[in-house]
Amino acid sequence: NAGVTQTPKFQVLKTGQSMTLQCAQDMNHNSMYWYRQDPGMGLRLIYYSASEGTTDKGEVPNGYNVSRLNKREFSLRLESAAPSQTSVYFCASNEGSSSGRLNEQFFGPGTRLTVL
Amino acid sequence: AQSVTQPDIHITVSEGASLELRCNYSYGATPYLFWYVQSPGQGLQLLLKYFSGDTLVQGIKGFEAEFKRSQSSFNLRKPSVHWSDAAEYFCAVAFNDMRFGAGTRLTVKP
Repeated sequence: NAGVTQTPKFQVLKTGQSMTLQCAQDMNHNSMYWYRQDPGMGLRLIYYSASEGTTDKGEVPNGYNVSRLNKREFSLRLESAAPSQTSVYFCASNEGSSSGRLNEQFFGPGTRLTVL
Repeated sequence: AQSVTQPDIHITVSEGASLELRCNYSYGATPYLFWYVQSPGQGLQLLLKYFSGDTLVQGIKGFEAEFKRSQSSFNLRKPSVHWSDAAEYFCAVAFNDMRFGAGTRLTVKP
């Protein structure tokens, strides 16, 4: 099993450009998450999908959109990138059963994004 | 307000020395508690977790953590640190959702 995979690993954008970060998991998990990691701030939740067909905002959703394409895939889109979105982005997943949203999350390797 | 705090931004220990990383939380009830480790350029890996029961939890790589309700703490410990333990460590709490601390970076001196 590959676990959680993310593409690309690195990306440089100019202000105003758009891009989509891809995430896929092969663990048959119901719930998937997007976080951003900034120095001294830990991980902050951008959006999550409790199950296929649903998405909800997290702590810092402004400037982002998401799509839960199917049970395996959860993408994060930046429509008009800004320098403040320079960060490392992590996708995660877990079982997401009745209380599973609070269980261990499995993380991808991350995407390092720089917006100039 | 609900929060999780890791008071130490950076800790340096000598190889073979003991280690304790602190984590405190502020919630109305006991949340689920986790410690994750992040090696450079990698994602987060779960070290251990506490849901209920025995307050001393054993994890992978020789780590353990103790839940102390009276102190709202969940400190991570290791008796003898190895150079490969150098990484960033995150405490996380799950109540209505998962929240992460800011992290503690561990440096191991030879």
